[in-house]
Amino acid sequence: GENVEQHPSTLSVQEGDSAVIKCTYSDSASNYFPWYKQELGKGPQLIIDIRSNVGEKKDQRIAVTLNKTAKHFSLHITETQPEDSAVYFCALADYKLSFGAGTTVTVRA
Amino acid sequence: DAGVIQSPRHEVTEMGQEVTLRCKPISGHDYLFWYRQTMMRGLELLIYFNNNVPIDDSGMPEDRFSAKMPNASFSTLKIQPSEPRDSAVYFCASSFKPNDGYTFGSGTRLTVV
Repeated sequence: GENVEQHPSTLSVQEGDSAVIKCTYSDSASNYFPWYKQELGKGPQLIIDIRSNVGEKKDQRIAVTLNKTAKHFSLHITETQPEDSAVYFCALADYKLSFGAGTTVTVRA
Repeated sequence: DAGVIQSPRHEVTEMGQEVTLRCKPISGHDYLFWYRQTMMRGLELLIYFNNNVPIDDSGMPEDRFSAKMPNASFSTLKIQPSEPRDSAVYFCASSFKPNDGYTFGSGTRLTVV
């Protein structure tokens, strides 16, 4: 599958601060870029996605930006809360999803 | 809808035994995916089906692994014989389209001793 690099692998933020996770990818015809949140003992859950004809998408405290020229996309979480603590995965699709390695986000109260 | 349903949630088996994991996708979803998650390798796609037909099984580790989808509401992933290195969490997911949001099940945690 498509190679996706995700950084950082761990991220610790103070409650109320912002968190940013970035993913880069190599040559691809991908046009769909979702982000998933995985809580302990559960399956990954889709939280936001973006398609290649859009540069930015926002849903309340989360947003995703896409730069197809530079081949990277990022997840932004603002005003972080303890319930945002989880593992976050980026992914991209040509005809199937390939996932990044994940970022463990810890929000300190 | 109850979402994607997987069973069992946990499975502990001895090396050499046959293991069967089960999945019920969301009704109306034409695509079904089996993923394996480990600390070392992350989320790996094993196989996916479209309209009950296997499309890409290039991620299946070896001949010990097999998957079937006899109808639109049921799929199985079988490991025979099982080995300790097969220990992982196995997820089933389904979607309307391949380039669309997947809905994952809660997973089956497999431990082979």
